Amino acid sequence: DVKVTQSSRYLVKRTGEKVFLECVQDMDHENMFWYRQDPGLGLRLIYFSYDVKMKEKGDIPEGYSVSREKKERFSLILESASTNQTSMYLCASTPGGYEQYFGPGTRLTVT
Amino acid sequence: AQSVTQLDSHVSVSEGTPVLLRCNYSSSYSPSLFWYVQHPNKGLQLLLKYTSAATLVKGINGFEAEFKKSETSFHLTKPSAHMSDAAEYFCVVSDLRPGNTGKLIFGQGTTLQVKP
Repeated sequence: DVKVTQSSRYLVKRTGEKVFLECVQDMDHENMFWYRQDPGLGLRLIYFSYDVKMKEKGDIPEGYSVSREKKERFSLILESASTNQTSMYLCASTPGGYEQYFGPGTRLTVT
Repeated sequence: AQSVTQLDSHVSVSEGTPVLLRCNYSSSYSPSLFWYVQHPNKGLQLLLKYTSAATLVKGINGFEAEFKKSETSFHLTKPSAHMSDAAEYFCVVSDLRPGNTGKLIFGQGTTLQVKP
């Protein structure tokens, strides 16, 4: 079974803090994605990566950055957390087809 | 450009009655279409997918969806709802253009409530 894990299920941070969300997949997938999920808005793509050290902006990259130093790990960074970044963050991976495998999500609260 | 619209934000059915979750899509190219389900406090799980083969697609847990190009629709159905079907459902579209790195476009989601 494909397994995508995320470092935390719940996280509470203060405004202005630097926040790291980690995602690891164990199936040697090429492509990895970070989404945020908000009620009534579905999932919106923040960033994706199609290879180590390669990244592309998604639909809502402002306030975020990413890092992919190893194929299995894709990190989302909030440089200076703000309250409007309170959300559910979902990581996904795919071998290059279009079915994506999702992690359980990290619910981030910024106070 | 691709887009997807889920026509109902909330659907409520009684246990044992049919389920219909509606989805319309827009795509400039031949689309791949998916339905994902998300149970409370869980990640998303693939229910079924259409990738230009049979237009009637069967998925897990008794769900199926029919691709109708003329109507640009991909509605999800199930003959008889179970309590365990209560969840949020997402209709998703991608396209098959060369070079597409697997980006997906998600609908806004439909919350399915199943009443005893």
